[in-house]
Amino acid sequence: KAGVTQTPRYLIKTRGQQVTLSCSPISGHRSVSWYQQTPGQGLQFLFEYFSETQRNKGNFPGRFSGRQFSNSRSEMNVSTLELGDSALYLCASSRGRDLLYEQYFGPGTRLTVT
Amino acid sequence: AQKVTQAQTEISVVEKEDVTLDCVYETRDTTYYLFWYKQPPSGELVFLIRRNSFDEQNEISGRYSWNFQKSTSSFNFTITASQVVDSAVYFCALSEVPGNQGGKLIFGQGTELSVKP
Repeated sequence: KAGVTQTPRYLIKTRGQQVTLSCSPISGHRSVSWYQQTPGQGLQFLFEYFSETQRNKGNFPGRFSGRQFSNSRSEMNVSTLELGDSALYLCASSRGRDLLYEQYFGPGTRLTVT
Repeated sequence: AQKVTQAQTEISVVEKEDVTLDCVYETRDTTYYLFWYKQPPSGELVFLIRRNSFDEQNEISGRYSWNFQKSTSSFNFTITASQVVDSAVYFCALSEVPGNQGGKLIFGQGTELSVKP
């Protein structure tokens, strides 16, 4: 069974640009969560989607957005990139809509903003 | 507010030593989950254990064991006879169980464990 995949794995962008990251969950999983990991702030929750609906959102500015498609694949978008957005972005999927179900994490997308 | 504290930033041990990673949490809810994850250099978070707030039984899985004590709001993780492959960053995490809102984990800052041969 294939794990969670994230594309691209590495990305370099310039301040002011926008970026889209993609996450393909494990087959049959309907919940996708996104996290940002930085050395200073650690792992922080961005948002969670279940059946194409955003059901939970962390404390991030509106520049961070996401969506989920009918096949459960998810994308997150960051507009007007800032240097502080440089981070490892992790996606996690699970079968159900609460944490009774284990979350499986992908390898992450490492975004560098210059 | 929810908070997870892992006071140990880095730990270095020699192979075969036992090591305990500390985790202290704060929450006002009576129903919650606690987790431990391992993050090897590849970056992927690997699930180790989930414990709900009503189950204070300690758990052992091979060389790994967990001690959950609600009285002290702690969920500590012990690796017995550590091995070089245990070298990684370990995260403790907390989640409440609200309504239909899922997926949100509150992570500690992580403990970087280095096991030297």
